[in-house]
Amino acid sequence: QQQVRQSPQSLTVWEGETAILNCSYEDSTFNYFPWYQQFPGEGPALLISIRSVSDKKEDGRFTIFFNKREKKLSLHITDSQPGDSATYFCAASGGWQLIFGSGTQLTVMP
Amino acid sequence: EAAVTQSPRSKVAVTGGKVTLSCHQTNNHDYMYWYRQDTGHGLRLIHYSYVADSTEKGDIPDGYKASRPSQENFSLILELASLSQTAVYFCASSDELGGSAETLYFGSGTRLTVL
Repeated sequence: QQQVRQSPQSLTVWEGETAILNCSYEDSTFNYFPWYQQFPGEGPALLISIRSVSDKKEDGRFTIFFNKREKKLSLHITDSQPGDSATYFCAASGGWQLIFGSGTQLTVMP
Repeated sequence: EAAVTQSPRSKVAVTGGKVTLSCHQTNNHDYMYWYRQDTGHGLRLIHYSYVADSTEKGDIPDGYKASRPSQENFSLILELASLSQTAVYFCASSDELGGSAETLYFGSGTRLTVL
């Protein structure tokens, strides 16, 4: 059973647009939600994270919006750049283990 | 900067053969992990370790063994490789256990193809 779900599986936007990547989870005890960014041929790297006590976390062009009641969060990438083309993994944890979603492959067209 | 290096970067193995994937970290982290990545499944935890000479099972340990001979080194062993084990394998390290750690530091991965 998949505890962390991501949508869409793939997303294509034009340079300058805002990309919105969605994530939902099932376990109400989850309280830490990192997003990892993975470029082809590389390992994932932490991009931005949020804890359940917050409803928004911003870092430059990257913003996480968190809705605890609906168990949903989203990653917004404003002014998308071709260099943002990568796979983005949402993850969640309420204790010892980090559970990863299946990822969203983002392509930013120039 | 945190560094996790994996070897080899890619490997082709025959069904039934033995495969060893190696991982070395210079982060001085206690925790190390092996993940498997398949299209549509994200990252799934195979084994992890929090101290040398000790390993723990993750979510999908069947068909895999792990070895942590030192704090810096963590190996994944496939005693009898099977077609279903074709995947990309990632090693990671952290200073706290998985979900508590602020950051997992991943290596660049090993692409394993079993024929």
